[in-house]
Amino acid sequence: AQSVTQPDIHITVSEGASLELRCNYSYGATPYLFWYVQSPGQGLQLLLKYFSGDTLVQGIKGFEAEFKRSQSSFNLRKPSVHWSDAAEYFCAVGPPGSGNTGKLIFGQGTTLQVKP
Amino acid sequence: DTGVSQDPRHKITKRGQNVTFRCDPISEHNRLYWYRQTLGQGPEFLTYFQNEAQLEKSRLLSDRFSAERPKGSFSTLEIQRTEQGDSAMYLCASSLWGTNTGELFFGEGSRLTVL
Repeated sequence: AQSVTQPDIHITVSEGASLELRCNYSYGATPYLFWYVQSPGQGLQLLLKYFSGDTLVQGIKGFEAEFKRSQSSFNLRKPSVHWSDAAEYFCAVGPPGSGNTGKLIFGQGTTLQVKP
Repeated sequence: DTGVSQDPRHKITKRGQNVTFRCDPISEHNRLYWYRQTLGQGPEFLTYFQNEAQLEKSRLLSDRFSAERPKGSFSTLEIQRTEQGDSAMYLCASSLWGTNTGELFFGEGSRLTVL
């Protein structure tokens, strides 16, 4: 079955500390991979995506993610967290090949809390 | 602001009533998606349109649910004979298919509470 697992439901980091959010997926082929962020009262916003090529992708707000095929993982990282990064983060996968599919499978999300 | 807009933002209804949600996508976007998000979970795909054609429906979309996108612009999602299990956030998203950007633009959602 196709699925996305985000093992950490809730993470707390200190402002200025580094961050890594984990994402593992189960899919028949290498899917398209996405990270979205959802702040309270706001819609989901795309942070970054991976289709093919360089396995380290850069996104907005200083985030990056690394695709590791052997581990079926797509972990999100940020070297220094800001208080405004507190939000819920979702990893998602979509069927490859079309380049712009919206039929995504989301993980259950990781809530990030930032301590001052 | 020309983002995706959804209306109403909040709806409280009694079990058995019908409710309808509206989504206005970004004007040039030809694809429109509906997702459902329950508390503590990620969004789940419900259905999507390309222009006015409904191309796919999830098994999650029971017969009580119907979605339309007349004229390929705004879309409505109607839930008939609501049940308490329908309580969720209903998210709409749009995209411009064919640009290879892979990005969905989400609205802020319509939260449904069924009493």
